[in-house]
Amino acid sequence: DAKTTQPPSMDCAEGRAANLPCNHSTISGNEYVYWYRQIHSQGPQYIIHGLKNNETNEMASLIITEDRKSSTLILPHATLRDTAVYYCIVRLRNRDDKIIFGKGTRLHILP
Amino acid sequence: NAGVTQTPKFRVLKTGQSMTLLCAQDMNHEYMYWYRQDPGMGLRLIHYSVGEGTTAKGEVPDGYNVSRLKKQNFLLGLESAAPSQTSVYFCASSYAGITGANVLTFGAGSRLTVL
Repeated sequence: DAKTTQPPSMDCAEGRAANLPCNHSTISGNEYVYWYRQIHSQGPQYIIHGLKNNETNEMASLIITEDRKSSTLILPHATLRDTAVYYCIVRLRNRDDKIIFGKGTRLHILP
Repeated sequence: NAGVTQTPKFRVLKTGQSMTLLCAQDMNHEYMYWYRQDPGMGLRLIHYSVGEGTTAKGEVPDGYNVSRLKKQNFLLGLESAAPSQTSVYFCASSYAGITGANVLTFGAGSRLTVL
């Protein structure tokens, strides 16, 4: 699986859009980008995933660059409850592989 | 539908003692994973399983053993606990089908302290 690089921490004002970047420059053509988040000490929670096209669901939007070497997770209207560690991983969708998490980005939502 | 259930939630061990963490899922998922998370750190994969009767090593497998005798259960064993194994352990499972999103579902975690 490709490795990912994320900034260790970010701040965002409450009510603003939070844009979390992820670099995955060695991603292969059939690897998906997945985002998870971990609130405090809870188990991580799935947010969104995508292959090439931009994706949106009730939680967030995922923007993947045309060359697929980086992506951005967008939380459109951040709230205090979005304070968490956000993990970006890449993997083949249906392969029995190791799923390796990095250290993620710690997002602080400022009131 | 309980999802992924881990037992116990908390445990304190003395160095050298053994114990088993149980992960149970009721979603008929093929894949199951054990991670550990140390303070301020990300998740590190210990062992994983792609189906009943199969296991494989992850990033940090030393000092742990696993078994997947039943599809719904994935056991993580510590034969001789060490203080370095003090951590929070998370189990996860996922579907393996090509039409599924193959999303990981995590348990709530098991906090283990080794004195």
